[in-house]
Amino acid sequence: AQSVTQLDSHVSVSEGTPVLLRCNYSSSYSPSLFWYVQHPNKGLQLLLKYTSAATLVKGINGFEAEFKKSETSFHLTKPSAHMSDAAEYFCVVSFYNQGGKLIFGQGTELSVKP
Amino acid sequence: KAGVTQTPRYLIKTRGQQVTLSCSPISGHRSVSWYQQTPGQGLQFLFEYFSETQRNKGNFPGRFSGRQFSNSRSEMNVSTLELGDSALYLCASSLDSISGYNEQFFGPGTRLTVL
Repeated sequence: AQSVTQLDSHVSVSEGTPVLLRCNYSSSYSPSLFWYVQHPNKGLQLLLKYTSAATLVKGINGFEAEFKKSETSFHLTKPSAHMSDAAEYFCVVSFYNQGGKLIFGQGTELSVKP
Repeated sequence: KAGVTQTPRYLIKTRGQQVTLSCSPISGHRSVSWYQQTPGQGLQFLFEYFSETQRNKGNFPGRFSGRQFSNSRSEMNVSTLELGDSALYLCASSLDSISGYNEQFFGPGTRLTVL
């Protein structure tokens, strides 16, 4: 079965320190992987996507993620957290020929302390 | 270019009623997908439409239905509302999602409350 697991439901960091949000997927096929962010009372915004090109993907606002097939992981990182990064982050997977069906992880709430 | 728009933004209904939500995709996008977001179940895929045809469907009861018009605008309908249908309903559009590679752009959602 195809699934995605976010290993932490809540992560708290101090402003200026690194961010690591962990994601593992389960799939028999080569997936496309995405990270989306949702700020309170807002829609979902795409941070970055992996579609079988470079394994290190750079996204918006200084975020990046590395696809590791051997570990079936797609962790999201940022060198230095900013207060505006506080939000809910979703790791998402989709598969060829499954059209618009995105499979979402349960989400990780990121808190940033001053 | 305007983003995905959803109307209405908020709805309050009572059990047993039915509701219709509307989604206008980004101009040029032909694929529209719908998702339900609840605190307990997270984000779950409802269905996807492409060129007025339902191309994929999630595991929801038949009370949930949708359609897409020739201009790619989409509606979803929920009949015989239950308390558990209270959720944020998100619409997303993409150029064509058959490969799974094209990112989906999400609207702000419709917050449905069932009393």
